[in-house]
Amino acid sequence: DAKTTQPTSMDCAEGRAANLPCNHSTISGNEYVYWYRQIHSQGPQYIIHGLKNNETNEMASLIITEDRKSSTLILPHATLRDTAVYYCIVNSGGSNYKLTFGKGTLLTVNP
Amino acid sequence: GAVVSQHPSWVICKSGTSVKIECRSLDFQATTMFWYRQFPKQSLMLMATSNEGSKATYEQGVEKDKFLINHASLTLSTLTVTSAHPEDSSFYICSALNWGANNEKLFFGSGTQLSVL
Repeated sequence: DAKTTQPTSMDCAEGRAANLPCNHSTISGNEYVYWYRQIHSQGPQYIIHGLKNNETNEMASLIITEDRKSSTLILPHATLRDTAVYYCIVNSGGSNYKLTFGKGTLLTVNP
Repeated sequence: GAVVSQHPSWVICKSGTSVKIECRSLDFQATTMFWYRQFPKQSLMLMATSNEGSKATYEQGVEKDKFLINHASLTLSTLTVTSAHPEDSSFYICSALNWGANNEKLFFGSGTQLSVL
């Protein structure tokens, strides 16, 4: 699976949009971009995933560049409960669904 | 969404004893489950892939005789840490694959904190 690069940490003010970047320059054509987050001492929580088109759900939006070498997760109105480590993962899914977690980005939402 | 239950949430044991952790898919059948380990302030590290009815596939560097995995049914996988030592103290997390789910297919348990004294 392609490697991803994320900033170690980011801060965001409560109520503002949080934009979390991820670089995956070696992504191949059949690999999806997944985003998970982990709140302290809990299991990871799925947020969103996409292949090439931008995606939106009730939690977040995922913007993937046209060359697919990077993406941005957007939390439109961050709350204090969004403070967590956010992981960007590239995986082909299919029969090889095991996810390899990198170090992720610690997002701290400040009041 | 699909629910994965992990038990116990935390366990304290003496060095040299064995500890069993259960991972159950509550509302779906999971032929494939995964076991992860996470040390403080570090990321999740995949330990093994658990396949129902067959032997688990371990990642490089993970001792299969120390971390016994059994996936005897479509809704239950167990991880047994044998002869636990303080260095095995960690947060263990399981996940289960639900091919029948529409969008998200991998569901995680809430984790087990193991402390070996």
